[in-house]
Amino acid sequence: GDSVTQMEGPVTLSEEAFLTINCTYTATGYPSLFWYVQYPGEGLQLLLKATKADDKGSNKGFEATYRKETTSFHLEKGSVQVSDSAVYFCALHTGTASKLTFGTGTRLQVTL
Amino acid sequence: NAGVTQTPKFRILKIGQSMTLQCTQDMNHNYMYWYRQDPGMGLKLIYYSVGAGITDKGEVPNGYNVSRSTTEDFPLRLELAAPSQTSVYFCASSYSIGGERRSNTEAFFGQGTRLTVV
Repeated sequence: GDSVTQMEGPVTLSEEAFLTINCTYTATGYPSLFWYVQYPGEGLQLLLKATKADDKGSNKGFEATYRKETTSFHLEKGSVQVSDSAVYFCALHTGTASKLTFGTGTRLQVTL
Repeated sequence: NAGVTQTPKFRILKIGQSMTLQCTQDMNHNYMYWYRQDPGMGLKLIYYSVGAGITDKGEVPNGYNVSRSTTEDFPLRLELAAPSQTSVYFCASSYSIGGERRSNTEAFFGQGTRLTVV
């Protein structure tokens, strides 16, 4: 079945550091890939998405490229801010599976 | 612009009690989902629905029931509450064309219901 594997957290970085959160997936069909962010006490919000191989999703300085050859969708940001502290979830959706599948989430803590 | 609305936001139940978590969306989405999120853990799918009148089990359906009589509403029912059901529950909705074709779905989440069973 479909699955998403994320690097375990927490990830602790200083402000302005470079961020990478790894995500790999297993899926049948042609999945769409997503990164969601959850700020403390809130629900999940879509951060970015990519719907086909080699697409790059980007938003708020975050980027992720859909790599079909490595089945990966790693999240990157060149310079993190304290306000980026949150839990980040990688997810996929395939029409055949008819549901979203999430990774376990990676907590990011950014300090001054 | 309501999006996905969940009620209540907080609830404390005694063991053996029952309750219904309400979820409504106003975006005419065909897919709806219920997830639970345990402390420090990811999201686990409880039930989902691909349209009115159609529901299916997710990873952790035991102890829960759902119905989807309309496109807008997808209530989650707990019949005999147990401490293991203490969690934060999220409802979500999305639109998908489904089938073998590529899907381009963004899920919208409610704010969550924090449930404690004592």
